[in-house]
Amino acid sequence: DVKVTQSSRYLVKRTGEKVFLECVQDMDHENMFWYRQDPGLGLRLIYFSYDVKMKEKGDIPEGYSVSREKKERFSLILESASTNQTSMYLCASSLSGGGRPGGEETQYFGPGTRLLVL
Amino acid sequence: AQTVTQSQPEMSVQEAETVTLSCTYDTSENNYYLFWYKQPPSRQMILVIRQEAYKQQNATENRFSVNFQKAAKSFSLKISDSQLGDTAMYFCAFIPYNNNDMRFGAGTRLTVKP
Repeated sequence: DVKVTQSSRYLVKRTGEKVFLECVQDMDHENMFWYRQDPGLGLRLIYFSYDVKMKEKGDIPEGYSVSREKKERFSLILESASTNQTSMYLCASSLSGGGRPGGEETQYFGPGTRLLVL
Repeated sequence: AQTVTQSQPEMSVQEAETVTLSCTYDTSENNYYLFWYKQPPSRQMILVIRQEAYKQQNATENRFSVNFQKAAKSFSLKISDSQLGDTAMYFCAFIPYNNNDMRFGAGTRLTVKP
């Protein structure tokens, strides 16, 4: 079974803090994704990565950055947390056919991190 | 741009009955995948069922089946013999071939009542 884990289930941070959310997958997937989930809005893509050190912006990248130094690990960074970043953050991974994104598109999700910014 | 619409924010069904969740999508692509994901309360999102657009046969996974109408751009999920464990948020999702831009609907919160 594909396993995607996230470093924290719940986080409480203060405005202005730098926040790191970690995600690890154990299936040698090439693609990894960060979404935020808000009621009534579904999932919105923040960033994704199709290879080590590669990243592409999603729909809502503002206020976020990412890091992928190793294939199995994808980090989401909130440089200066704000209250409007209070949300559920979901990490996902998918297998790729190699090179540019493609191949097996099914995404497998981590348990989510519920972040509260005060 | 691709969009996915789930017009039912909340639904409920009695245990053992059948329920259908609606999903429509908008795309100019001809080849794509469609998914239904389930997110139980405070638990991980998991894949329920997957459909490839070029396949005319509707996908089925045990009590879960879809009604895929490509021309109408409709992809509904039918849950037969509903169980209490089916209580969850259900998301419809779309992704074009050779692309990582997966689009999700806003979700339908399904409650199965005993």
